[in-house]
Amino acid sequence: GENVEQHPSTLSVQEGDSAVIKCTYSDSASNYFPWYKQELGKRPQLIIDIRSNVGEKKDQRIAVTLNKTAKHFSLHITETQPEDSAVYFCAATSKAAGNKLTFGGGTRVLVKP
Amino acid sequence: DAGVIQSPRHEVTEMGQEVTLRCKPISGHDYLFWYRQTMMRGLELLIYFNNNVPIDDSGMPEDRFSAKMPNASFSTLKIQPSEPRDSAVYFCASSSHGVGNTIYFGEGSWLTVV
Repeated sequence: GENVEQHPSTLSVQEGDSAVIKCTYSDSASNYFPWYKQELGKRPQLIIDIRSNVGEKKDQRIAVTLNKTAKHFSLHITETQPEDSAVYFCAATSKAAGNKLTFGGGTRVLVKP
Repeated sequence: DAGVIQSPRHEVTEMGQEVTLRCKPISGHDYLFWYRQTMMRGLELLIYFNNNVPIDDSGMPEDRFSAKMPNASFSTLKIQPSEPRDSAVYFCASSSHGVGNTIYFGEGSWLTVV
């Protein structure tokens, strides 16, 4: 089955700086890669996703990149703000996996004002 | 739409007691997932259903755990008997058919077994 590794496990950045989280996956058939943000005591919520036919996708201060050859994808947050402080999870799935998401271990991001 | 609805939101129970967690998926969604979240193990998929049929229960930790989906708008996750190591947040999530459709999570059921 799919295995998703996520790094780093914790990330502390100064407000206004950029944050980058990296994930690798094992199943070459995976073709959908969402990112979820989970604030303390809340549910995970989708913030951005990317499909295997796209190399990069951007939504305001958030961008994701995908390298299918190397089987890794990354989340980039620019101009970080205190409200970006949360745990971020990457995930991967494929049609063969039946829409079953495999999550990375999560990255706890702390944005210091 | 009210989103994925879970109950109870919080439960504290004694070891050995039966626990039943409930979930109502988003109307029209045909996939339902049960996840467990702990600090040590992160987000683990326990079981998922497609059109009310269990597709993959390989994540169910042991026979003490069971899940049912009697109809498209209701699912239960039952733990009997409960143990302290079952303490976790249990999330139900749903999505519509096809890969690449957003999976929406409920607010979770916070279970503490003492």
